[in-house]
Amino acid sequence: GAGVSQSPSNKVTEKGKDVELRCDPISGHTALYWYRQRLGQGLEFLIYFQGNSAPDKSGLPSDRFSAERTGESVSTLTIQRTQQEDSAVYLCASSLGTGMQFFGPGTRLTVL
Amino acid sequence: GIQVEQSPPDLILQEGANSTLRCNFSDSVNNLQWFHQNPWGQLINLFYIPSGTKQNGRLSATTVATERYSLLYISSSQTTDSGVYFCAGEPGRRALTFGSGTRLQVQP
Repeated sequence: GAGVSQSPSNKVTEKGKDVELRCDPISGHTALYWYRQRLGQGLEFLIYFQGNSAPDKSGLPSDRFSAERTGESVSTLTIQRTQQEDSAVYLCASSLGTGMQFFGPGTRLTVL
Repeated sequence: GIQVEQSPPDLILQEGANSTLRCNFSDSVNNLQWFHQNPWGQLINLFYIPSGTKQNGRLSATTVATERYSLLYISSSQTTDSGVYFCAGEPGRRALTFGSGTRLQVQP
């Protein structure tokens, strides 16, 4: 596609429920990244994919968070048993090799 | 981990004024980038500038990698320049570490 797309754009869920966030990277981009941005703060790295494998998962805050990527394309970030502190904007980025990262519009997650 | 310090944290300008935003890194980074986050939250790429100087219209950026800092210049500011400006770099791994941003407000 022309840019990185994410869905849904907004998600409101109840504490304890599971959520899935989707990212479609720019076509041909081999690297894909997930970040989280809490209100009024900078972005925090969560996980990085090269192809379909994740060599760096060091930013995932707990074992409730997981992500996968298939077909060297779409990625899904799953948060199980959501907590209120998970409320944030989740941003996905992709890059061609080691170059510039391009960001999607984000998914705003609100956990009630 | 690496620290990324941005200054100033907040900036208010009158339309037409010039400004300089600074980003300091506590250690060497690769793939330094500047972004503008607009009021709708979208991160817009401004510069990919591991070293040297680049210009794009009213914006320019300079990175001095040996001294671990980068500068973003905004000239003849416009109200559409308002938002948050972030710098970010890769500290030896394939993940950007972001500063906390400079929040810019340009008043008409």
